[in-house]
Amino acid sequence: DAKTTQPNSMESNEEEPVHLPCNHSTISGTDYIHWYRQLPSQGPEYVIHGLTSNVNNRMASLAIAEDRKSSTLILHRATLRDAAVYYCMGLRNRDDKIIFGKGTRLHILP
Amino acid sequence: GAGVSQSPRYKVTKRGQDVALRCDPISGHVSLYWYRQALGQGPEFLTYFNYEAQQDKSGLPNDRFSAERPEGSISTLTIQRTEQRDSAMYRCASSTGQGAAFFGQGTRLTVV
Repeated sequence: DAKTTQPNSMESNEEEPVHLPCNHSTISGTDYIHWYRQLPSQGPEYVIHGLTSNVNNRMASLAIAEDRKSSTLILHRATLRDAAVYYCMGLRNRDDKIIFGKGTRLHILP
Repeated sequence: GAGVSQSPRYKVTKRGQDVALRCDPISGHVSLYWYRQALGQGPEFLTYFNYEAQQDKSGLPNDRFSAERPEGSISTLTIQRTEQRDSAMYRCASSTGQGAAFFGQGTRLTVV
């Protein structure tokens, strides 16, 4: 598994964009970058994943650096419901175990 | 079913008893994962399956823990001779093997 590094915590104001960074300098060329989040008292929830190109879905955008050593999860307009622990990880697309690191605890200020 | 279903949702057992936790994945999902989560901590990987084959059990803490998925669908995580330190939330997830994994609501195990 690719080792990932994320800040322990971040704060953002409600209704502003949030950029959550992740370093994954040991990622292999075929590992996908996945993001999950875990809201308080809930199970983990898939957010987004990508390989090389930037990706968008209804929840977030994923910006992947050209060298693939880092990526940024972008929440375009944070709400209080986005307060959660956000995890990034590198995974082979098939046949790989999903390992959660310590993640980033995101606090949203009203 | 519509999502990953785990049962029971809550289990209280006496120290020394065996418990079996069940996970019913999303229909057709190839991969099934088990995790344990202590309060305030991230999910800790236990084991995972592709179809009925257990691919990795390196996260199982000791030989009291075992898991099976005999027909490639429902999975059971069994803890023998439970100890108080086994108390935690046990979570199951399933995926197609490509992309997103979906998690169940978990089983809260309390060993008294």
